[in-house]
Amino acid sequence: SYELTQTPSVSVSPGQTARITCSGDALPKRYAYWYQQKSGQAPVLVIYEDTKRPSGIPERFSGSSSGTMATLTISGARVEDEADYYCYSTVRSDHPVFGGGTTLTVL
Amino acid sequence: DVQLVESGGGLVQPGGSLRLSCAASGFNFRNYGMNWVRQAPGKGLEWISYFGTNSTTYYADSVKGRFTISRDNAKNTLYLQMSNLRVEDTAVYFCASAYCSDGSCYVVPEYWGQGTLVTVSS
Repeated sequence: SYELTQTPSVSVSPGQTARITCSGDALPKRYAYWYQQKSGQAPVLVIYEDTKRPSGIPERFSGSSSGTMATLTISGARVEDEADYYCYSTVRSDHPVFGGGTTLTVL
Repeated sequence: DVQLVESGGGLVQPGGSLRLSCAASGFNFRNYGMNWVRQAPGKGLEWISYFGTNSTTYYADSVKGRFTISRDNAKNTLYLQMSNLRVEDTAVYFCASAYCSDGSCYVVPEYWGQGTLVTVSS
């Protein structure tokens, strides 16, 4: 079955740049999406179609994709950005998959 | 504002059944695909099902043949009928509207409800 692989944890100091990666063989042909999930809350879409940011998402969140890797970048990370981040993509439209998630610590 | 409110969760014995509901408001429900996604305690997200605007349905292999997704556009409500439940189905179940663009919807969750907890235990 298809998988998306994420590093389990990333830690940065406030104001630093956090980069969260997601690797998968289908990513050269399929868009990546990124979700932020804070403790006890529902996920929020923060990046769609590799690089687009939904309205209301701060500009410090950006996305990129190259080859088999997609990257979520948080420039100038804040304490309130501490959360689990999940990538998402589809090999086929009927078989989408989430990555395993990355816990971002900002302290 | 988009609102999605799940209900119907609870404690059920292995082999039992349960029906979840998701009441939608704040958008034109019939024009959007809808997803169910679950999260086991302390674990990651797992997409499990999708119902498209053209009545196309998709299921994850883990639930295919046991779960049935449906929708009532007149009631702006999405459902998930779960049967032959297993201990490993214990999770918070989220409904989520699909990302749609230029008249097409994709199997991509966009807006999410707060979830309802299903516990399968004897």
